[in-house]
Amino acid sequence: SQQGEEDPQALSIQEGENATMNCSYKTSINNLQWYRQNSGRGLVHLILIRSNEREKHSGRLRVTLDTSKKSSSLLITASRAADTASYFCATTFKAAGNKLTFGGGTRVLVKP
Amino acid sequence: DGGITQSPKYLFRKEGQNVTLSCEQNLNHDAMYWYRQDPGQGLRLIYYSQIVNDFQKGDIAEGYSVSREKKESFPLTVTSAQKNPTAFYLCASSESGANVLTFGAGSRLTVL
Repeated sequence: SQQGEEDPQALSIQEGENATMNCSYKTSINNLQWYRQNSGRGLVHLILIRSNEREKHSGRLRVTLDTSKKSSSLLITASRAADTASYFCATTFKAAGNKLTFGGGTRVLVKP
Repeated sequence: DGGITQSPKYLFRKEGQNVTLSCEQNLNHDAMYWYRQDPGQGLRLIYYSQIVNDFQKGDIAEGYSVSREKKESFPLTVTSAQKNPTAFYLCASSESGANVLTFGAGSRLTVL
């Protein structure tokens, strides 16, 4: 499978702490994206990082990409209860055109 | 407001019945997608369409059918041939040549 795999599957932290989750993939990618899904809702795009980029920031989000290790990480700093959600990485593989392949997600619980 | 509207939000079906899920977008996006999500899982691609009157099978197309007669609309029919149709179905769209997806709120199908 070329699917990205997130680690950990679940994460529980206190409000104000940082949350880090990782995504690994198997083949060369065009880009990698992170999405958030609140329970029972659609996904919301958070950030896209291209294969020639190593780090991107968006507000309290920091994404890194290490193509040599075929992995990416998403860091949420100073977490809030509203950050409670599932987070998915999605990759576009060079052999598959523009089709996105999603990982299984990391469920994050931020306790107040 | 621009966005994607999926209906119905909840749908119950008896075994052996076909059901059609609606997806309408007013974002003027060329590409549209249908994904299936099972509990605690990632998203799997059912069908996608990059232009009106054309669509391609995704990874799990068996038991499903689609049409793309209008740019704004991409309905999904879950047929009786789909052996395990109970799932959360998500419709998404993207601009031509891009793969950042905008998602609808989803439709939850339960087979009784």
